[in-house]
Amino acid sequence: RKEVEQDPGPFNVPEGATVAFNCTYSNSASQSFFWYRQDCRKEPKLLMSVYSSGNEDGRFTAQLNRASQYISLLIRDSKLSDSATYLCVGEDDKIIFGKGTRLHILP
Amino acid sequence: DVKVTQSSRYLVKRTGEKVFLECVQDMDHENMFWYRQDPGLGLRLIYFSYDVKMKEKGDIPEGYSVSREKKERFSLILESASTNQTSMYLCASSYRQGYQPQHFGDGTRLSIL
Repeated sequence: RKEVEQDPGPFNVPEGATVAFNCTYSNSASQSFFWYRQDCRKEPKLLMSVYSSGNEDGRFTAQLNRASQYISLLIRDSKLSDSATYLCVGEDDKIIFGKGTRLHILP
Repeated sequence: DVKVTQSSRYLVKRTGEKVFLECVQDMDHENMFWYRQDPGLGLRLIYFSYDVKMKEKGDIPEGYSVSREKKERFSLILESASTNQTSMYLCASSYRQGYQPQHFGDGTRLSIL
């Protein structure tokens, strides 16, 4: 069974800190990966794609480690508004969502 | 601004009723998706469609059907609603070259009594 696994958290992190979490995938044939963000009682929103060479967008960095079959999301200088659930998605012949990692940024 | 619109934000129906959930997107996307999201289970794909009148089963199609008569509209149908179909239903769409859902609707919280 193809799986995308995430630590459900919650990660409680003080404002301004750097936080990172990983997502492991079981299917080595997976081609594409993405991170989504979902606020409480809201719809998921595409945050960023994950490329083999890594991907950086402002305070957010996504990386792919094919050898160990995981992707990571790093958030620098965390803000209160970063509090959300972060969903990892893997794609081969189908799209598989992880169950999400909850992040709470503490003032 | 791009938009995926679901017809109802909250819906309450009774067991055995036929339920229609409507989704419309204004981005001319080829792909449309229906997911349900439940605590502890995450997002699960019910059906998706990659073109008008085309549909593919997702991971949990049992008890559901779909209709895509026009490119912008993708309907989810609960043939005979049951209490285990109480859930948050999310519609999404994407361009053909990116199969992952790019834009989600606000969701419909459906309760089956």
